[in-house]
Amino acid sequence: IAGITQAPTSQILAAGRRMTLRCTQDMRHNAMYWYRQDLGLGLRLIHYSNTAGTTGKGEVPDGYSVSRANTDDFPLTLASAVPSQTSVYFCASGTGAAGANVLTFGAGSRLTVL
Amino acid sequence: AQSVTQLDSQVPVFEEAPVELRCNYSSSVSVYLFWYVQYPNQGLQLLLKYLSGSTLVKGINGFEAEFNKSQTSFHLRKPSVHISDTAEYFCAVTSPSYNTDKLIFGTGTRLQVFP
Repeated sequence: IAGITQAPTSQILAAGRRMTLRCTQDMRHNAMYWYRQDLGLGLRLIHYSNTAGTTGKGEVPDGYSVSRANTDDFPLTLASAVPSQTSVYFCASGTGAAGANVLTFGAGSRLTVL
Repeated sequence: AQSVTQLDSQVPVFEEAPVELRCNYSSSVSVYLFWYVQYPNQGLQLLLKYLSGSTLVKGINGFEAEFNKSQTSFHLRKPSVHISDTAEYFCAVTSPSYNTDKLIFGTGTRLQVFP
């Protein structure tokens, strides 16, 4: 089934630890995105990639890094986790053309930083 | 820059009643508008989208939305809701001018349908 796979689905992490959230898509979409979802704040864009080999900063990039070595994978890394990074993280992908197709979202990764 | 405001954080309603979830946007360029739904413990799914043409857009599960350029609104409506419509609803915007499908989301409206 075509779509986006995120891992892990849930994780509890000690502050200061490094964590990588994985995202893989099998739709050959050019663009990929990482959003975080927080109560009352909706979804906010962390980082994005318009095509393999390129990345860009979204609305809330501080404390996060991404890489896009190939079309399918777009991992999100927290170098030194802090409690304010407790959130639900969603990976999404799209063709990169506005309106042509809608974004496809993964099921999310729930991260708790203690 | 673009932004989206969802005017209600929560909307409680009884089953079979009509519902309207409000969304206003701000943009200096032309817009594409979307409504997404998130059921508990799931990712987001597209309900409907407005790209151009008719301002009344019909989506899945009996939902519809009307694009009103003069009022910069894109309110979501359903004439009769079901328990299964209980979910979080997000309005989102992008623009054909940006050549990207990156979306700006509102803060969400939680629809709670009671029996």
